[in-house]
Amino acid sequence: DAGVTQSPTHLIKTRGQQVTLRCSPKSGHDTVSWYQQALGQGPQFIFQYYEEEERQRGNFPDRFSGHQFPNYSSELNVNALLLGDSALYLCASSRGGVGEHEQYFGPGTRLTVT
Amino acid sequence: QKEVEQNSGPLSVPEGAIASLNCTYSDRGSQSFFWYRQYSGKSPELIMFIYSNGDKEDGRFTAQLNKASQYVSLLIRDSQPSDSATYLCAVRSGGSYIPTFGRGTSLIVHP
Repeated sequence: DAGVTQSPTHLIKTRGQQVTLRCSPKSGHDTVSWYQQALGQGPQFIFQYYEEEERQRGNFPDRFSGHQFPNYSSELNVNALLLGDSALYLCASSRGGVGEHEQYFGPGTRLTVT
Repeated sequence: QKEVEQNSGPLSVPEGAIASLNCTYSDRGSQSFFWYRQYSGKSPELIMFIYSNGDKEDGRFTAQLNKASQYVSLLIRDSQPSDSATYLCAVRSGGSYIPTFGRGTSLIVHP
């Protein structure tokens, strides 16, 4: 049973650049959520995609955008990178229908902005 | 503002002891409760979820939920050094698809 996968594992970017992170959900899951986790903090919700639409969004600026493809995989795009965007970016997948919505995380992408 | 509070620790217990991790939440409409384990530099791993008042056991782990008092706890029996990690509590309200995470409790199990 394939788990959640993310790419790349590590990334170094310069302030002002743009980045795209990718996620493939666990087999049987159709919903993808993205989180940002700073050191010593819990994951902070960015947004969730279900049926190729953004279903819920957290308190992040419009520089953060995303997309979900028909095969349920997803991308997170961040424009105009700031030093403060350096963090671990986590993708979590779940079943999007009515239910308890247990989420399973991928290994994460460590983004460093210099 | 929905809040999930955890003592940041570290909680230090000897090998073989019971580790007790606690979490309180502010939203009385909360319906789903999750515990994740996160090793340093790794992503969170779902280890327990509970939806009804009472206890739920899975191996050495027991989750306890008390909705009236708005707390959820995780007990780890026969703690092992490999249990040393940060434990994240996450709580989902009825009107949301997304859980709110606490900052986590660091657990250290020493031989």
